[in-house]
Amino acid sequence: GQNIDQPTEMTATEGAIVQINCTYQTSGFNGLFWYQQHAGEAPTFLSYNVLDGLEEKGRFSSFLSRSKGYSYLLLKELQMKDSASYLCAGKDSNYQLIWGAGTKLIIKP
Amino acid sequence: DAMVIQNPRYQVTQFGKPVTLSCSQTLNHNVMYWYQQKSSQAPKLLFHYYDKDFNNEADTPDNFQSRRPNTSFCFLDIRSPGLGDAAMYLCATSSSASGSSEQYFGPGTRLTVT
Repeated sequence: GQNIDQPTEMTATEGAIVQINCTYQTSGFNGLFWYQQHAGEAPTFLSYNVLDGLEEKGRFSSFLSRSKGYSYLLLKELQMKDSASYLCAGKDSNYQLIWGAGTKLIIKP
Repeated sequence: DAMVIQNPRYQVTQFGKPVTLSCSQTLNHNVMYWYQQKSSQAPKLLFHYYDKDFNNEADTPDNFQSRRPNTSFCFLDIRSPGLGDAAMYLCATSSSASGSSEQYFGPGTRLTVT
C-alpha cells in the first residue's frame, strides 16, 4: 500500500532550527511536496523535490533521498508565524498526491 | 490576483438535507480537485477533473457528486449529508497533473451537519 509517515507534533523555540522528517512509500514516484497549513486555512505550497539532495528556499530547505524513501523539511530562524501544520505528500506513478496527516509545529518564545 | 475561490466559507446543513459547495478559479488551470479534510488528518481526495474528464476515487461514497460545467467552475454536491460528512472541503487546481505541478488551494468550506 501507499503511505506517508511523519511525526504528529513537534515543539521548537523561536529563533532555533527544526527538522521535520517524512518517510514515504508510493507506487512509483514523481516527486515529494511539502505544504504549510495554518489552523483553519488551506495548504500552501512550500517545496518540491524529485532528485536527491537539498533544495534551499530562504529560511526553508527540503531534502530528498529516493533510495531511503525519506525527506525532511528544515526551518531556520524560526518565527512565531511558522506555527502551523506541515504536510508531506508524495506523487505516485499515476500523478496522484499521497498525503501525510501533517506535523503540527508549535513555536515557543 | 489569480486565485481559487470557494463559497461559502462556512456552511451549516441539516442531516439529510442536500448541500452544494462551489469553487471557481481564475488561474485557467486544467485540473481541479475536491478534497475532504477532517481535523488533524490528511486531505482525502474525493474527485478530480482533467479538463472535462471526471475521475472518481474508488472509496468516495456515492453520496458525493461533482459537476464541472466549464474550466472555471466546479461544484461538490452532497446528496444526503450525514454527521460523518462534517469536515473542511478543499478545492484545488493545478496546471497539469504531472511532475512538479503544484496544487493551489482555495480557502476551504467548513461544513457543519446538525
